[in-house]
Amino acid sequence: EAQVTQNPRYLITVTGKKLTVTCSQNMNHEYMSWYRQDPGLGLRQIYYSMNVEVTDKGDVPEGYKVSRKEKRNFPLILESPSPNQTSLYFCASSWRYNEKLFFGSGTQLSVL
Amino acid sequence: KQEVTQIPAALSVPEGENLVLNCSFTDSAIYNLQWFRQDPGKGLTSLLLIQSSQREQTSGRLNASLDKSSGRSTLYIAASQPGDSATYLCAVVFSGGYNKLIFGAGTRLAVHP
Repeated sequence: EAQVTQNPRYLITVTGKKLTVTCSQNMNHEYMSWYRQDPGLGLRQIYYSMNVEVTDKGDVPEGYKVSRKEKRNFPLILESPSPNQTSLYFCASSWRYNEKLFFGSGTQLSVL
Repeated sequence: KQEVTQIPAALSVPEGENLVLNCSFTDSAIYNLQWFRQDPGKGLTSLLLIQSSQREQTSGRLNASLDKSSGRSTLYIAASQPGDSATYLCAVVFSGGYNKLIFGAGTRLAVHP
């Protein structure tokens, strides 16, 4: 089944403790991206990747890192999480940047 | 600033009604516009994608139109059903930032029996 898989589904952590949210797609998509969704602010793009080893900042990249060493994986790294990074995170992928986007089920992150 | 606006923010209709959701965007230079559905606690599902060269797309009871000159798109849902209850979001890839997707805040739809 074609899908975008995010893990974990829920995560509670403390300020400053490094964490990684994984994202994997099995559709051989070139384009992958990360979003956060906050009440009243909607969905905002954090980082995107046009292909392997090609990544760039979205609208809200501060406090996040990404890497794209393989086509299928696009992990989101929070080196030193802070409470303002408490949010619902989504990974998405598409064949190319202007094609239909497929979303993962989301990761609810709480930073205490 | 490139923005996407959706009106209304919430809508409640009886089952069987035909309805229209609106999306407006501030810059007519776009690559594409996509309509998504989001169920509570779930990810987004792409419903329709309209490229800048297209005027509309249809899938089952859904029809989306695009008018770049006026900066507007509409999502038409025919013969609404309770299962259509969800939040509907539109998102635009503007030409200036071709790899950035800008989302509207969404319209929360409730279809009651």
